[in-house]
Amino acid sequence: DAKTTQPTSMDCAEGRAANLPCNHSTISGNEYVYWYRQIHSQGPQYIIHGLKNNETNEMASLIITEDRKSSTLILPHATLRDTAVYYCMEGAQKLVFGQGTRLTINP
Amino acid sequence: DTAVSQTPKYLVTQMGNDKSIKCEQNLGHDTMYWYKQDSKKFLKIMFSYNNKELIINETVPNRFSPKSPDKAHLNLHINSLELGDSAVYFCASSQFRTLNTEAFFGQGTRLTVV
Repeated sequence: DAKTTQPTSMDCAEGRAANLPCNHSTISGNEYVYWYRQIHSQGPQYIIHGLKNNETNEMASLIITEDRKSSTLILPHATLRDTAVYYCMEGAQKLVFGQGTRLTINP
Repeated sequence: DTAVSQTPKYLVTQMGNDKSIKCEQNLGHDTMYWYKQDSKKFLKIMFSYNNKELIINETVPNRFSPKSPDKAHLNLHINSLELGDSAVYFCASSQFRTLNTEAFFGQGTRLTVV
């Protein structure tokens, strides 16, 4: 079973920042936090991952709290193509997908 | 170049048949996975192979048998197909040795059992 909790759904206006929260209170010290997304029945797509420090890449930013029990994925300027289900996960060797957050970007 | 490719993309078959889904990755990864996504859209891991050895085997019926001829391929064979096997099956690969790695997924095989 998934060990992370995320809101079931969120809406965001196109061009605004989308902030997706995730709780991972059982994460162990050497486990990374991973974010993936799945766009309409395509294969899941890697977005970003981090251990302790905040991370940024061309797709998103990841903010991890100091106690590592939660994180926030930030899509700085959401577009309609960012509409997808976003999954937050602990670890890497066995990716356990929860229900994710269905993010809808509205025009 | 497609990193993780699955064939076929669509598969429609009758109950009781035996079918196979093939997966190949050209990323040089040493670990491959099979996931099942049912009609409720939950993604569940089924199997994982590392260097051709089974390392993860979730509670999956014995009718499902993965086969890894080499570390670039992981095929899924399903015997005596049932209606409940209808789902989208995703193959993925990653590098096992490090915890700091990302997984790449194929585009899925939509299996419909009639």
